[in-house]
Amino acid sequence: EAQVTQNPRYLITVTGKKLTVTCSQNMNHEYMSWYRQDPGLGLRQIYYSMNVEVTDKGDVPEGYKVSRKEKRNFPLILESPSPNQTSLYFCATRSWTGDEKLFFGSGTQLSVL
Amino acid sequence: KNEVEQSPQNLTAQEGEFITINCSYSVGISALHWLQQHPGGGIVSLFMLSSGKKKHGRLIATINIQEKHSSLHITASHPRDSAVYICATTGNQFYFGTGTSLTVIP
Repeated sequence: EAQVTQNPRYLITVTGKKLTVTCSQNMNHEYMSWYRQDPGLGLRQIYYSMNVEVTDKGDVPEGYKVSRKEKRNFPLILESPSPNQTSLYFCATRSWTGDEKLFFGSGTQLSVL
Repeated sequence: KNEVEQSPQNLTAQEGEFITINCSYSVGISALHWLQQHPGGGIVSLFMLSSGKKKHGRLIATINIQEKHSSLHITASHPRDSAVYICATTGNQFYFGTGTSLTVIP
């Protein structure tokens, strides 16, 4: 079954404590991306990756890091989380075959205290 | 500044009604996505369209690339259609509308 797996589903942390949200996919898609969703602002792109070792900034990259060492994994790293990074985060991939389609992970609700 | 505008923000309909959600965008694009987000938070892809019209069951999406406008229609709406509908421009970088929250009352 085609899947984008995000972990953890919920995370509560404190300001400054480094954390990683993992994302993996089993569809061999080249494109992966991270988004945050905030009330009234909708989804905003944080980073995206066109392929292994190729990453680029989205609309709101400040305070985040990513890496793409292998095709299936695209972790999101918050080196020093702050309360304004409290949000719902989604990882997604994109298929190119035929009709382009987006596949989203189930989301990670992050609270930074 | 949001590159993508959706209307209405909220919509309540009686079961069976015909529903239209609109999406306008300012960036030049080749195609646009419609997404559905259920109350549990999961997001699924409904359509990607670059011209004309697409239909999946009771859902119909249209796009006019020159006018930078797309619409999502739901015919014979049902309570299970209650969700947030989001349009998004495609490309290396994606821009999203803030979503239309639809509630269909039995």
